[in-house]
Amino acid sequence: GAVVSQHPSRVICKSGTSVKIECRSLDFQATTMFWYRQFPKQSLMLMATSNEGSKATYEQGVEKDKFLINHASLTLSTLTVTSAHPEDSSFYICSAPGPLGNEQFFGPGTRLTVL
Amino acid sequence: RKEVEQDPGPFNVPEGATVAFNCTYSNSASQSFFWYRQDCRKEPKLLMSVYSSGNEDGRFTAQLNRASQYISLLIRDSKLSDSATYLCVVMKGGRRALTFGSGTRLQVQP
Repeated sequence: GAVVSQHPSRVICKSGTSVKIECRSLDFQATTMFWYRQFPKQSLMLMATSNEGSKATYEQGVEKDKFLINHASLTLSTLTVTSAHPEDSSFYICSAPGPLGNEQFFGPGTRLTVL
Repeated sequence: RKEVEQDPGPFNVPEGATVAFNCTYSNSASQSFFWYRQDCRKEPKLLMSVYSSGNEDGRFTAQLNRASQYISLLIRDSKLSDSATYLCVVMKGGRRALTFGSGTRLQVQP
């Protein structure tokens, strides 16, 4: 089946630094990718929709200037958490709709810990 | 009110038991429905899609009732390896983003 990779898998950083997370579709093209966030003991919440060649669409309450999304090619979307703070510590997961139907393929996730 | 509601559990059941999970969704425009499984600190993995006609995959049976906006998952002959969090998921169509329920934790005990 289709594969989505995410890098890095784990990040520990100091407060105030910026962190870039990459999401790649390895064997298919994805004009759209989704970024989710999951806090401990909570479910995944959609943060934004990444659109190849155009601006991302952010969900209500998600700061677009803090969570920068770039979808520069058909196989790569990046999420940059700018000036990260401890409350941004979370599990960030990307997904891409599969080429054939409704199925979504998830990356393995990035666990961000901001000290 | 959450868009997708699930009983958080946990459900603690012995091996071999049958267990049922329920889920309700609030947006009648939802078009596609799924059950995902998520293991601790991992990404969610698709367990099965859910259709109004009901569908079965081995020990797993899923059912959708559009009129009552209700989704169910039945697991028969539970295995230790079934221990996980089960996520009820809906998709509204259009841009294909998913809305997740908060998950139901299942612990199958020997």
